Amino acid sequence: SAVISQKPSRDICQRGTSLTIQCQVDSQVTMMFWYRQQPGQSLTLIATANQGSEATYESGFVIDKFPISRPNLTFSTLTVSNMSPEDSSIYLCSVRLAGTYEQYFGPGTRLTVT
Amino acid sequence: GQSLEQPSEVTAVEGAIVQINCTYQTSGFYGLSWYQQHDGGAPTFLSYNALDGLEETGRFSSFLSRSDSYGYLLLQELQMKDSASYFCAVSGLSGAGSYQLTFGKGTKLSVIP
Repeated sequence: SAVISQKPSRDICQRGTSLTIQCQVDSQVTMMFWYRQQPGQSLTLIATANQGSEATYESGFVIDKFPISRPNLTFSTLTVSNMSPEDSSIYLCSVRLAGTYEQYFGPGTRLTVT
Repeated sequence: GQSLEQPSEVTAVEGAIVQINCTYQTSGFYGLSWYQQHDGGAPTFLSYNALDGLEETGRFSSFLSRSDSYGYLLLQELQMKDSASYFCAVSGLSGAGSYQLTFGKGTKLSVIP
C-alpha cells in the first residue's frame, strides 16, 4: 500500500495568483498522477508526473497553467497558475504501485478562488 | 477517447443487495476498476477486473464482460457505512500515449434503514 499526504489541505486564493500543492508519498513509486474533482463530480486526470522529465498533460491541460515538478520518486508539486474562479476544485495526487492496477489517492487540496 | 456510463443515484435498504452497472467505450483497454468515495474523503480502491468473470472480495463482487464492454459492482448485506459514491474506471492509454485511469461520473449510493 501507499500513504499519501498533501499540503495544503485547503486554501482560499485571490484571482490572478498562483498556488503550489505538494504531494508526499511514503514509498518510492514510478507512476504519480494529478487529478481534479469538482465536489460531487467525477475525477479528471490533469497529468502524469514523470520523474526526471516533463510531465505528460491530458487534453485541455497545459504546462503553463499547471506546471508540475517531480524531483524524486516520493515527491511532486502541482502549481495552479494565474488562478480564476473556474479553477476552484479539489486537486488530488495519486500513485500506482509497480505490478498492480490499484491506485492510491491523497486526501486532496480544496481550492477556492475568489 | 474513453467514456463510461453509470447510474447517477441508487437507493437501497440496509441488509439488501445492490448492483451498480457500468458500460464503457474505450480505445485500448487494460481493465475495469471500482472505487469508493465517502463525502469529503479520497477515493479508495475496491476491485479490478482484467478478464471476463466475477471477482469476489468479502461483501463486494465485481463482474466484467469485455465483449459487451460492461461491468458491475455487487454489494451484499448492505450496511449504512456503504453510503458513498462509487466510480467505475477503465485503465488504458490516454491520447498522449501514457497509462491513464478514466473515471465514470459516479453513482451515489444511499443506504436507508
